Amino acid sequence: NAGVTQTPKFQVLKTGQSMTLQCAQDMNHEYMSWYRQDPGMGLRLIHYSVGAGITDQGEVPNGYNVSRSTTEDFPLRLLSAAPSQTSVYFCASSYGWASTDTQYFGPGTRLTVL
Amino acid sequence: AQTVTQSQPEMSVQEAETVTLSCTYDTSESDYYLFWYKQPPSRQMILVIRQEAYKQQNATENRFSVNFQKAAKSFSLKISDSQLGDAAMYFCAYSPPNSGYALNFGKGTSLLVTP
Repeated sequence: NAGVTQTPKFQVLKTGQSMTLQCAQDMNHEYMSWYRQDPGMGLRLIHYSVGAGITDQGEVPNGYNVSRSTTEDFPLRLLSAAPSQTSVYFCASSYGWASTDTQYFGPGTRLTVL
Repeated sequence: AQTVTQSQPEMSVQEAETVTLSCTYDTSESDYYLFWYKQPPSRQMILVIRQEAYKQQNATENRFSVNFQKAAKSFSLKISDSQLGDAAMYFCAYSPPNSGYALNFGKGTSLLVTP
């Protein structure tokens, strides 16, 4: 298994540009989430999904869109990039809610918006 | 909204000694999950330990253990016999029930381990 993969690893955008951060997992996990990590702020939840076709907002959803058309993929779209969206973005997934389940994180995408 | 507070931005411990990292949280739920994650300089998020709120027994994973005080909404992490490889950022996280592990993180504690 590749686990949770994220592409790209690094990205530089200009203000106003749009892009999609890709996240994929090959573990047949139902639950997937996107977080952003800013210096001194910890990780903050952007959006999450409890299964294909179902998404919900987290703590900081403004400026981001998600969709979950398949179990494997959970892309994060920036509609019009702003400098405030400069951050490291993490995707995570887990099988379920049982005490034996573990949430797996991807390696992160470092995004800079100029 | 639930909040997670880590009051120690930085901690330092000598190799082989014991250190405790603090975490408090706020919730009106009775059932939830609590976690400690480790983030080394590689940025990879690594699960250290988890605690189910309905379990009174404190979780333990090798040198890592927690002190879970549900009434006080406190969830501290104790690292025994500290090793140089334990140096990292440590994040406390809360997950409400039925949210698919959507985590609320604290701001983290940077742990320095000195020889």
